[in-house]
Parts: sequence; C-alpha cells; structure tokens
Amino acid sequence: GAVVSQHPSWVICKSGTSVKIECRSLDFQATTMFWYRQFPKQSLMLMATSNEGSKATYEQGVEKDKFLINHASLTLSTLTVTSAHPEDSSFYICSALPVRQGGTEAFFGQGTRLTVV
Amino acid sequence: KNQVEQSPQSLIILEGKNCTLQCNYTVSPFSNLRWYKQDTGRGPVSLTIMTFSENTKSNGRYTATLDADTKQSSLHITASQLSDSASYICVVSAGANNLFFGTGTRLTVIP
Repeated sequence: GAVVSQHPSWVICKSGTSVKIECRSLDFQATTMFWYRQFPKQSLMLMATSNEGSKATYEQGVEKDKFLINHASLTLSTLTVTSAHPEDSSFYICSALPVRQGGTEAFFGQGTRLTVV
Repeated sequence: KNQVEQSPQSLIILEGKNCTLQCNYTVSPFSNLRWYKQDTGRGPVSLTIMTFSENTKSNGRYTATLDADTKQSSLHITASQLSDSASYICVVSAGANNLFFGTGTRLTVIP
C-alpha cells in the first residue's frame, strides 16, 4: 500500500526557533498534500492544502507566515513552524493524495509531535 | 455547506462488548466514505472505504454500513478488544482532492 513518511517523529525546540517537518510519499507521487494539527483529545484540524509547484492554501485562522509550506516535488512537502512558541506544541500530521488514483484516498503520515519549551 | 458529523464524541465500553459509531454527512457530490482508526500519537489508518453503491463492508471485527439516501454511515465494532481504544474518523470525499473530515469518536475499551 501507499506509504507516507514524516520526519521527525518528534521534536523538542526552544521558544523562538524554527522547526521543519518533512512529509514524503515513498512509493507514489502526490500533487496534493494536506497538513493537519491535532491537539490532545481532539480530532484533526486541517491547516493547509499544499499543491506541488504552487502556493499552499491555508485554512481560516492559520497564519501563513508562521506555518511555511513548501511542496517542491511530487513526493515531498515541508512544513516549517517559524518562531515557535509553546502554544504551537501539538501533533502535526500530513496526508497525501496519489496522482494515480485521481486523488480520492488520503494516506496519512505517522505524525510529528512538536514540543516547544 | 459540506459537513461531516460524528457521534458520539466519546464512548467507553467494556472489553468484549459491541459498539456502533455514527457518521452523518451533507457532502455533495458524494464520491466515497472512509473510516479511519487513529491510535494515540499516530497517524490515521484506513479501515474501510465505501462507494455510493455499497451498503456494507467488513474488515475483520469492523463492519461499516452506508445509506446514501439518508447520508448516514455507521461503524460497528464486534467483540471489542483493548487495542480498539482509539479515535475513529469518518472522511467523506466529494471527488478528487476534496475531502471532508468528521471530528472523530474517541473510543475507550476498558477491561
């Protein structure tokens, strides 16, 4: 089956620093990837939709200058949390839609737990 | 407005018991509906996928139903196990790259 890998699985950073999270589709190409944030005991909240070769589309309330998304290739999208603060501590998950299937099934990465201290 | 609503928000059941989770949607056009299981601290994993013409589909102890007329789906878990404790998310597709997520049901199975 299709595999989506996120890196790192967990990261601890100091307040004010930036953190980059990678999302890779390992055995398929994805023109579209999604980034989600999940707070404890809550469901996934879509942050942005990332399209290869174009600017990401952000959901309302998500600061695009704080959460930088780059989708430079059909197998890699990155989310950079800039000037991280403790309230950014969360579980970040990406998903990718395979091009070959017409993009109707989202395969999820294993998630990245970010802790800002 | 395209929405996916799940109920209950949370559920606690005894090990060995059955349970049913509900998903109501207003997504249109409808392409398919998926149920995902998400263990704590992990990404969601697909359990079942159902298209418009399918009424029921099973995956082991998980059985999903779909009523496309009333726009309702359910996920039935039989003989629950402790490892079933997770969040279950209903996702409805309105076509390519157009997914709508429910807020999930958090299931806790206790011994």
